[in-house]
Order: sequence, then structure tokens, then C-alpha cells
Amino acid sequence: AQSVTQPDIHITVSEGASLELRCNYSYGATPYLFWYVQSPGQGLQLLLKYFSGDTLVQGIKGFEAEFKRSQSSFNLRKPSVHWSDAAEYFCAVGAPNNNDMRFGAGTRLTVKP
Amino acid sequence: EPEVTQTPSHQVTQMGQEVILRCVPISNHLYFYWYRQILGQKVEFLVSFYNNEISEKSEIFDDQFSVERPDGSNFTLKIRSTKLEDSAMYFCASVSGGAGEQFFGPGTRLTVL
Repeated sequence: AQSVTQPDIHITVSEGASLELRCNYSYGATPYLFWYVQSPGQGLQLLLKYFSGDTLVQGIKGFEAEFKRSQSSFNLRKPSVHWSDAAEYFCAVGAPNNNDMRFGAGTRLTVKP
Repeated sequence: EPEVTQTPSHQVTQMGQEVILRCVPISNHLYFYWYRQILGQKVEFLVSFYNNEISEKSEIFDDQFSVERPDGSNFTLKIRSTKLEDSAMYFCASVSGGAGEQFFGPGTRLTVL
């Protein structure tokens, strides 16, 4: 079964600084890849997804992620972080043949003023 | 825009009681899922459901749990004889089919006392 690792449990960045959240996956073929954001006490909001095609995907709220097959990675980036971006971010990997999805442990983002 | 709904938003129960968490997936979706998120932890896959039967389940989904699609719209998760450690946020999700982005409901917070 597929699995995903988010190496960073907690990241703190200053407002206006750039951001990169790491995600590595394990799957035998090309997976479906997702990034979700969760604010405290809230549900999961999809930021972006990769199924096929262009390996650089654009999402909502100014986020983007790049699929790198050679590194089994799907890192999330944002050029300039806003205070409202403070939240928990989950990377998820899905198997195209069965739609089942597995989540990483999450990275908590804190934004300093 | 169609969305997945879940009721109740918060359920409080006594240890040993049975609870039923309800979900209404998006109407033309064919695959349904339950996930669990213990407070402060990652989102964990519980079970996937397709064509009126379980297609995959995790180690967490033992005999204490069951799922059902009792009619054309609802998708329920039953937890028998609840334990303190069942306290968590439970998310329902659905997918239209084939290559799929899972659409998540807002979650039900279950508190077992």
C-alpha cells in the first residue's frame, strides 16, 4: 500500500518569507498526490492535486507543488507567506487503481509577524 | 456547489454505548470513505466502500466498526461499545469514480466519556 512521509513536524516562518513543506511518498507506480490544509477545529481543504501531466501544479491561495519522480517527492511551496497561512498541512498519496488515500503526519506551520 | 455533509457535528457518548455517524456524500459519487483524526494527530484511513461493500479497510477498522449505505443517499459509520480512545474527529469523503479527488465532509467530533 502507498505511504507518505512529512519529515517536518513543525515549521516557523516569518510573514512574507518563502515556504517549502516537504513530502515524500512510497508507491510502486505514479500516484495521485494531494496537499490539504486544516485550520484548528476545521475540516480538510484541498490546496492542490497532481494526477498526471505537468509536474508543477498550481493550487489555491498562491500555493504550488512540484512532483519529482526521481525523488519520490511532492513538496509544497509558496513564495510569500501570509499570517492567515498558519495551519496544519497534510500531504496525501492516492492509488489510481482504487482511489484509496493515505495521509502524512502533517506539518504545523507557524507564521511570525 | 455540491458538498459532503456530516451529522452530527459533535457527538458526546458514554463509554460502552453505540454511536452512528452519518454522512451524505455528493449525489453522483460512487466511492465512499471514512477517516479518523485523533486530536493533534494525522488523518488515518479507516475504510473504503464501493458497490455496496467494503473494498478496503485498515487495521483500525476492527469488529467494533461497521459501515452501511442504508439508502441512496446516506453512508453511516457505526461504532459499537465505544472506548475512550475512540474520541476523535471522523471525516467522511466521497469520490465520483475513476481518477478521483476525494471530497471531504466537515467532520463529526466524537467525544467518549
